[in-house]
Amino acid sequence: QKEVEQDPGPLSVPEGAIVSLNCTYSNSAFQYFMWYRQYSRKGPELLMYTYSSGNKEDGRFTAQVDKSSKYISLFIRDSQPSDSATYLCAANDYKLSFGAGTTVTVRA
Amino acid sequence: DGGITQSPKYLFRKEGQNVTLSCEQNLNHDAMYWYRQDPGQGLRLIYYSQIVNDFQKGDIAEGYSVSREKKESFPLTVTSAQKNPTAFYLCASSIDHLPAGTFDNEQFFGPGTRLTVL
Repeated sequence: QKEVEQDPGPLSVPEGAIVSLNCTYSNSAFQYFMWYRQYSRKGPELLMYTYSSGNKEDGRFTAQVDKSSKYISLFIRDSQPSDSATYLCAANDYKLSFGAGTTVTVRA
Repeated sequence: DGGITQSPKYLFRKEGQNVTLSCEQNLNHDAMYWYRQDPGQGLRLIYYSQIVNDFQKGDIAEGYSVSREKKESFPLTVTSAQKNPTAFYLCASSIDHLPAGTFDNEQFFGPGTRLTVL
């Protein structure tokens, strides 16, 4: 069983919609939770991170972590075509463990 | 410009051949990493190095080898023992190894090398 599970999608939404991405994890030792964005044929870049449970907001992006249910979420409000990418969740103990990535397409 | 570079971008290899992927960083980072990315599986850690002349196996090290003779360089050799080497390979670096991946210790990724075995 993978330590971080993520539905690979793909997910297609119209411009302006809210994108909701989710992951679950199994390792209770995880403390930091991250979301990476990866454009096609590029390396991932860190989008947001959260320490322990709670919410974190950055512009149109909101990351949520619920440690009691081992659930990680990312919401993108007012989605734009430039948000089309693969989004990977990750969590760490001594190393990063990544989800499979969800490919998102925002249609103009 | 500071950053992390990988070469080549595309690589083709015949079965039975060893091939070496290059990774260089000028960020003065101590830690460097190699990941493999396959469709639907996310990133899996192959090897990591916390400091020069030291490296540790990750989750899928079989069939791969690395060296860390210089701080800025961490080449990965894909050997003929790797049974399914066709994949997208990503190199990353961070200031140090722990805590992994946070904004204070972000892992910066290179652009990747796509390896295809013919």
